Amino acid sequence: AQSVTQPDIHITVSEGASLELRCNYSYGATPYLFWYVQSPGQGLQLLLKYFSGDTLVQGIKGFEAEFKRSQSSFNLRKPSVHWSDAAEYFCAVGADFGNEKLTFGTGTRLTIIP
Amino acid sequence: EAGVTQSPTHLIKTRGQQATLRCSPISGHTSVYWYQQALGLGLQFLLWYDEGEERNRGNFPPRFSGRQFPNYSSELNVNALELEDSALYLCASSIVQGDTQYFGPGTRLTVL
Repeated sequence: AQSVTQPDIHITVSEGASLELRCNYSYGATPYLFWYVQSPGQGLQLLLKYFSGDTLVQGIKGFEAEFKRSQSSFNLRKPSVHWSDAAEYFCAVGADFGNEKLTFGTGTRLTIIP
Repeated sequence: EAGVTQSPTHLIKTRGQQATLRCSPISGHTSVYWYQQALGLGLQFLLWYDEGEERNRGNFPPRFSGRQFPNYSSELNVNALELEDSALYLCASSIVQGDTQYFGPGTRLTVL
């Protein structure tokens, strides 16, 4: 069964600073990987996804993530955060075709300070 | 293009009652997924419907059930409500099975 670990429960970053949110997954085959963002009381918005191909993927709002098979990681990065980036971020892994469900990490809450 | 919509936004019930939550997928999407986001338990997969059939379900008791209608909208029913069913219930849809899931805003269910 697949699983996702987000080791950082809460991260605080200064506005304008760079950001990296960690995500490690466990899955037997090539995974489908996703990052979603959730503002308080809201649903999930897709930031980016990796299915195959180029291991560095670009997403919305200036985010990018890199798939590293050797480290079973899919870390999310942003070179310069904005106050509006404060939210909860979820990494998720999808299984093979025919067993569709997403397994989510526990999330990382991002706080931005001036 | 409209996104995934869910109704109601909030739902308050008492223990033992039944709750019905509704979801309309993005136009053209045929797969609908339900997830529960409970405090302290994270996001957990509940159910997946595709072309009107239940294709997969998560580790939830049978009192969690649902259906998908011919127009691909979906309903989640929770019978014999328990306090621990209080959660945000999220619906997602994808254009075909296995493709990217897009989420709605959720229904906040509170069981008193």
